Amino acid sequence: NAGVTQTPKFQVLKTGQSMTLQCAQDMNHEYMSWYRQDPGMGLRLIHYSVGAGITDQGEVPNGYNVSRSTTEDFPLRLLSAAPSQTSVYFCASSYSAGTGGNTIYFGEGSWLTVV
Amino acid sequence: KQEVTQIPAALSVPEGENLVLNCSFTDSAIYNLQWFRQDPGKGLTSLLLIQSSQREQTSGRLNASLDKSSGRSTLYIAASQPGDSATYLCAVDGNTGFQKLVFGTGTRLLVSP
Repeated sequence: NAGVTQTPKFQVLKTGQSMTLQCAQDMNHEYMSWYRQDPGMGLRLIHYSVGAGITDQGEVPNGYNVSRSTTEDFPLRLLSAAPSQTSVYFCASSYSAGTGGNTIYFGEGSWLTVV
Repeated sequence: KQEVTQIPAALSVPEGENLVLNCSFTDSAIYNLQWFRQDPGKGLTSLLLIQSSQREQTSGRLNASLDKSSGRSTLYIAASQPGDSATYLCAVDGNTGFQKLVFGTGTRLLVSP
């Protein structure tokens, strides 16, 4: 089982460049989400999706775009990278909440540095 | 706005000790609370999920409790082992159930042999 796969694992960008972080899951999960993790701040939700074609903003969406054309894939696009977007990015997925929530699976993270 | 706090930020114990990690949250209207483990340079692994209607969950040497009314959860680790060394994160899912998690900043645990 591949689980949640994120690529690339490491990336260095120059200010103003754009890029896409890829996320794919092979568990047929409805819910997918992107978080960023910064020192001393914990993980914060960027965008989430409750199914193909449906996305919504989380706590810190500015500077990021997402789309969900398939159940499996949930790419995160940085439109014009800024040093403040230097962070570790995590993709996560789970089945729909059901009666109280289901186990959420995280990818291994993408380390992004913007210089 | 929901805020999640974890105390202590770091904990160092000798092998074999029983220990308690604390998590508090400001808004009691939650869907569930989850505990995760994060190893350095890795993603998060789900340990326990407590639904809002439950008081506790157990898995092996781990036991998590939830007191919604007081906005608190504890993670109890019995007979700690060096392999338990990691950062433990608490997260709450708000009332939507869409897995829109709000995380604490974690407790870094070191268990010495």
